[in-house]
Amino acid sequence: KNEVEQSPQNLTAQEGEFITINCSYSVGISALHWLQQHPGGGIVSLFMLSSGKKKHGRLIATINIQEKHSSLHITASHPRDSAVYICAARFGNEKLTFGTGTRLTIIP
Amino acid sequence: SQTIHQWPATLVQPVGSPLSLECTVEGTSNPNLYWYRQAAGRGLQLLFYSVGIGQISSEVPQNLSASRPQDRQFILSSKKLLLSDSGFYLCAWSVRVTNTGELFFGEGSRLTVL
Repeated sequence: KNEVEQSPQNLTAQEGEFITINCSYSVGISALHWLQQHPGGGIVSLFMLSSGKKKHGRLIATINIQEKHSSLHITASHPRDSAVYICAARFGNEKLTFGTGTRLTIIP
Repeated sequence: SQTIHQWPATLVQPVGSPLSLECTVEGTSNPNLYWYRQAAGRGLQLLFYSVGIGQISSEVPQNLSASRPQDRQFILSSKKLLLSDSGFYLCAWSVRVTNTGELFFGEGSRLTVL
């Protein structure tokens, strides 16, 4: 069964802290997406990766194919990073399977 | 650049009333189009996807339907809403060529059925 699990469900941190959000999936994938959902509901695609590591500004996404695990890191976190972060995996040519999201709150 | 528009942003409808949510994409041709629903505390659920005009695939049985009358227009409809149809609906598009394409989402439509 194609499953995606995220942890933690909720994360509260102080401004400036290094943030890690984890995503595990059940079987081999062709691509993994990290999405950011703003408080208003709109969703922005942050990363799409199938191996290795990608970096964009203060955001870093890594994936370990052997361990079936991906992480999203935020360096020097800021209150504007507060959002729900969603991991989604594509298993083969099938539709995306979404995690339930991690609600991140950064306190000034 | 490509943009995606979705409306209305918020909708409150009585049980049994019809529904029409509209989504249009600009700046690209032949996109894959998707309708997702996000219920409280749950992950995004794919409702419909379309690879071309008039081509609609339904992922889950429900009282909703979708149509694609033009290449960059995707409409989600219902003839009679149920309470369980309440939720946050998101339209998205991706480049058709590859299945690993990045998804681009609209701002969403929050539907409350009373």
